[in-house]
Amino acid sequence: NAGVTQTPKFRILKIGQSMTLQCTQDMNHNYMYWYRQDPGMGLKLIYYSVGAGITDKGEVPNGYNVSRSTTEDFPLRLELAAPSQTSVYFCASSYSQDRNNEQFFGPGTRLTVL
Amino acid sequence: AQSVTQPDIHITVSEGASLELRCNYSYGATPYLFWYVQSPGQGLQLLLKYFSGDTLVQGIKGFEAEFKRSQSSFNLRKPSVHWSDAAEYFCAVTSGTYKYIFGTGTRLKVLA
Repeated sequence: NAGVTQTPKFRILKIGQSMTLQCTQDMNHNYMYWYRQDPGMGLKLIYYSVGAGITDKGEVPNGYNVSRSTTEDFPLRLELAAPSQTSVYFCASSYSQDRNNEQFFGPGTRLTVL
Repeated sequence: AQSVTQPDIHITVSEGASLELRCNYSYGATPYLFWYVQSPGQGLQLLLKYFSGDTLVQGIKGFEAEFKRSQSSFNLRKPSVHWSDAAEYFCAVTSGTYKYIFGTGTRLKVLA
């Protein structure tokens, strides 16, 4: 199993541009998550999904959109990039949300908005 | 408010020395606690977790952590640090839902 994969690894955007961060998992996990990691701030949840067709907002959803058309894929969309969205983005997945299931993380996408 | 505090932003230890990374939480519900490690340029990997039972839990790579309810702490320990342990370590807490609360991380440097 490849686990959780993310593309691209790095990206530089200009203010106002849009892009989609891709996330795929091959573990047949129901739950998927998007986090952003800022220096000294830990990880903040942007959006999460409990299954195909179902998504919901996390702590910091503004400026982002998600979709979940399949179990495997959970792309994150930035419509109008802003410097405040410069961050490292992590996708994660878990079999369920209960206590016995850890979250598995992808390697991250480092995004810079100039 | 629910929170996780990792008081030490940076810790430097010599190779072979013992290590303790601190984690304190403030959580109204019964907490489920995790330690993750993030190597440079990598995602987070689970080291260990505590849900119930024995308050001393063993993890991968020779790490252990002890849950102390009276102190609201879940400190991570390792008796002898290896150079490959240099990384950033995150403590996290959840009540069993999707909502994980992560600490701000402790960056470990290991001196040869």
